Amino acid sequence: NAGVTQTPKFRVLKTGQSMTLLCAQDMNHEYMYWYRQDPGMGLRLIHYSVGEGTTAKGEVPDGYNVSRLKKQNFLLGLESAAPSQTSVYFCASSQGDPRPQHFGDGTRLSIL
Amino acid sequence: KNQVEQSPQSLIILEGKNCTLQCNYTVSPFSNLRWYKQDTGRGPVSLTIMTFSENTKSNGRYTATLDADTKQSSLHITASQLSDSASYICVVNPLMNYGGSQGNLIFGKGTKLSVKP
Repeated sequence: NAGVTQTPKFRVLKTGQSMTLLCAQDMNHEYMYWYRQDPGMGLRLIHYSVGEGTTAKGEVPDGYNVSRLKKQNFLLGLESAAPSQTSVYFCASSQGDPRPQHFGDGTRLSIL
Repeated sequence: KNQVEQSPQSLIILEGKNCTLQCNYTVSPFSNLRWYKQDTGRGPVSLTIMTFSENTKSNGRYTATLDADTKQSSLHITASQLSDSASYICVVNPLMNYGGSQGNLIFGKGTKLSVKP
């Protein structure tokens, strides 16, 4: 029972490079989310999706793009990485309120 | 501004002891309040979800309480174990999310609990 799987688990990038983080869920959930977690701060929502083919902006969307071409996958892209995007990124999925969100174990991303 | 404040920031207790973590919020109106446990290096895991009309909810040795009048919630851990060492995050879901996407959850910064043998 995999739940929410994030790849890669760790990555180091140079400023200006691009990359894509992958999130996959096997629970047939409609909703998926991308968060970032920084020291001393609560989780902040970057983008989310309410279904296949849909995306919406969260609290901190600048510098990120997302796509949800398949229901089970939610991709987060960094077009031109900046040191301020050094963070731990979490993906989550749910069947909607009031059911809980299920989180992956995160991708630790460092931008040099 | 909608906020969720947790206290204390960190806490150290001895194995077997009880402890209580606090969450104060300004989110109003709200749909539900959640507590998550986050082990080091892992993603958060849901412990409890309480609607605005519920006063208490338990999950094993974890008991959450909610006082909507004072806008306070607490998480009580009974007979602590070493495996309880983690961060505990309080999350409030504004009423605008009711029955929907949960795209506007308000997260607290968490309380880091260390249980020592």
